[in-house]
Amino acid sequence: GAGVSQSPRYKVAKRGQDVALRCDPISGHVSLFWYQQALGQGPEFLTYFQNEAQLDKSGLPSDRFFAERPEGSVSTLKIQRTQQEDSAVYLCASSSSHGTDTQYFGPGTRLTVL
Amino acid sequence: GENVEQHPSTLSVQEGDSAVIKCTYSDSASNYFPWYKQELGKRPQLIIDIRSNVGEKKDQRIAVTLNKTAKHFSLHITETQPEDSAVYFCAASKGYKLSFGAGTTVTVRA
Repeated sequence: GAGVSQSPRYKVAKRGQDVALRCDPISGHVSLFWYQQALGQGPEFLTYFQNEAQLDKSGLPSDRFFAERPEGSVSTLKIQRTQQEDSAVYLCASSSSHGTDTQYFGPGTRLTVL
Repeated sequence: GENVEQHPSTLSVQEGDSAVIKCTYSDSASNYFPWYKQELGKRPQLIIDIRSNVGEKKDQRIAVTLNKTAKHFSLHITETQPEDSAVYFCAASKGYKLSFGAGTTVTVRA
């Protein structure tokens, strides 16, 4: 079946612009995660949803970062007033039920802030 | 929080030889340890995982061992092939939050 998809795959923003990154999880998956992967590093946890409830947002770097999953399926990660240090690959993952199940990753969105 | 260290950062092996990557973790409550393979520009893909109630798991040419006392776990790839060339990440978790190592770039020389 279809895996996790993300769009856009690449995004270039000027410093100060707002961006929105979309994640379509595997159909029926209850849990959804966002990770940030800096160049040459492992992914770092940003936030976790179970259905539409955001249960953990402890990894969001600042209040410029906001995530939502209003209907418990598609999720959007929004970054306001982008800064150069926001440049990274943003990965979305989903798992079938509880968050302790295997996480399946999307291809990521590469964000470059000029 | 959990801290995962991964070694080596790069590994070059001759085709057919074995590759071993080691990770240590800090939180003794961690109980789930997946390994992901990421090719350049692609998504991380789970290749094997182990939970803390077992010490070893094998899947064809890939095996993972876990030492809970020492808080370390290792990935073993035998009979390496060119398609094994990629970045490998270990991770540890005690719930839903995966904490990743920094990755190991494996190059298999033909």
